Amino acid sequence: DAKTTQPNSMESNEEEPVHLPCNHSTISGTDYIHWYRQLPSQGPEYVIHGLTSNVNNRMASLAIAEDRKSSTLILHRATLRDAAVYYCILSSTGNQFYFGTGTSLTVIP
Amino acid sequence: DAMVIQNPRYQVTQFGKPVTLSCSQTLNHNVMYWYQQKSSQAPKLLFHYYDKDFNNEADTPDNFQSRRPNTSFCFLDIRSPGLGDAAMYLCATSRDGQQETQYFGPGTRLLVL
Repeated sequence: DAKTTQPNSMESNEEEPVHLPCNHSTISGTDYIHWYRQLPSQGPEYVIHGLTSNVNNRMASLAIAEDRKSSTLILHRATLRDAAVYYCILSSTGNQFYFGTGTSLTVIP
Repeated sequence: DAMVIQNPRYQVTQFGKPVTLSCSQTLNHNVMYWYQQKSSQAPKLLFHYYDKDFNNEADTPDNFQSRRPNTSFCFLDIRSPGLGDAAMYLCATSRDGQQETQYFGPGTRLLVL
């Protein structure tokens, strides 16, 4: 199973950008990079995913390193509602998700 | 509006007493997954169904079984719950098995007394 490594926790001030890093040095050529977040007492929620190119959507941006061994989730303006655990996940052709430990994001008002 | 529904949200059972958790979906997705999430840990995949094909993870205990009688419903059966099985159980779906987004339900929190 492909592994991801993330910092256990990060803090951000409200309305400032947040960069959440993820290392995945064992990624294979067909693995997609997914980001999900989980608010307390809720199921994980899709944030963004990509393969090789950087991706943008209404929630966030995903920057993928050229060698694909790392990626960064970018929240452009953190709000209090963005406080959650963020998971970086690799999926192969079977689409099984093997979650890493995730990063707990605290947003400071 | 709900897409992946899990009932009940909270389930209490007794040590060794069989329990069934249910999941239903309105998305008509082919794939349904069950995850176990213990306190302060990440979700752990137990097994998944691709249509009617059951795929068990190698380290999922035999105590955990699953049934998928039709596209919309999937059940998680715990034959003899132990105290260590107390956890949040998450159901998820995806349209296909190929790098698709997974949609998670709110989870069922299981308490074993």
